[in-house]
Amino acid sequence: DSGVTQTPKHLITATGQRVTLRCSPRSGDLSVYWYQQSLDQGLQFLIQYYNGEERAKGNILERFSAQQFPDLHSELNLSSLELGDSALYFCASSPRGPTNEKLFFGSGTQLSVL
Amino acid sequence: GNSVTQMEGPVTLSEEAFLTINCTYTATGYPSLFWYVQYPGEGLQLLLKATKADDKGSNKGFEATYRKETTSFHLEKGSVQVSDSAVYFCALRGSGGSYIPTFGRGTSLIVHP
Repeated sequence: DSGVTQTPKHLITATGQRVTLRCSPRSGDLSVYWYQQSLDQGLQFLIQYYNGEERAKGNILERFSAQQFPDLHSELNLSSLELGDSALYFCASSPRGPTNEKLFFGSGTQLSVL
Repeated sequence: GNSVTQMEGPVTLSEEAFLTINCTYTATGYPSLFWYVQYPGEGLQLLLKATKADDKGSNKGFEATYRKETTSFHLEKGSVQVSDSAVYFCALRGSGGSYIPTFGRGTSLIVHP
């Protein structure tokens, strides 16, 4: 158990809908990262938050947004969903931002857009 | 920018065979290098890491050596087990500028009894 909790584990929805994925980092970890894993793109970095502030953006679509709350949990919001958004979304946490430390991953949310 | 290239899978081996999964990287400065493993239905977990040139990371019989001259970090294991069947990801984390972890596409390993 990595200590990172993601909910829900599975999500099935329709095109055009909006969903929210939730992540609770390990106790004490300030950094949260969101990654999207798909068969054709591999593991793609979406966005990072550090202690409530956005720190870095990767290949995140404008239809997607995220935030980190004062209790350090994070939510990833996906709107106007398309079939191609179907993927496994991972959250990871680490103790600090700009270090060489490892990431601790949650078990992911499997999103299926029908 | 930073990038990681891994050999494509799946890699299919018999139990007790020797394993090599190739990984090369492109990065500025002196990145840290990692191998993560993803078992079915689970998130990625760190397998081993190396933070400077010529360092060897090792764990659970797996090894990888940070080769700056060839920009490589190949994963090896002398004798694989069925339980090693998983997807293996090579990753780097930059030392300055972009410190966001960059992952390879992953290599699936299937070990048959």
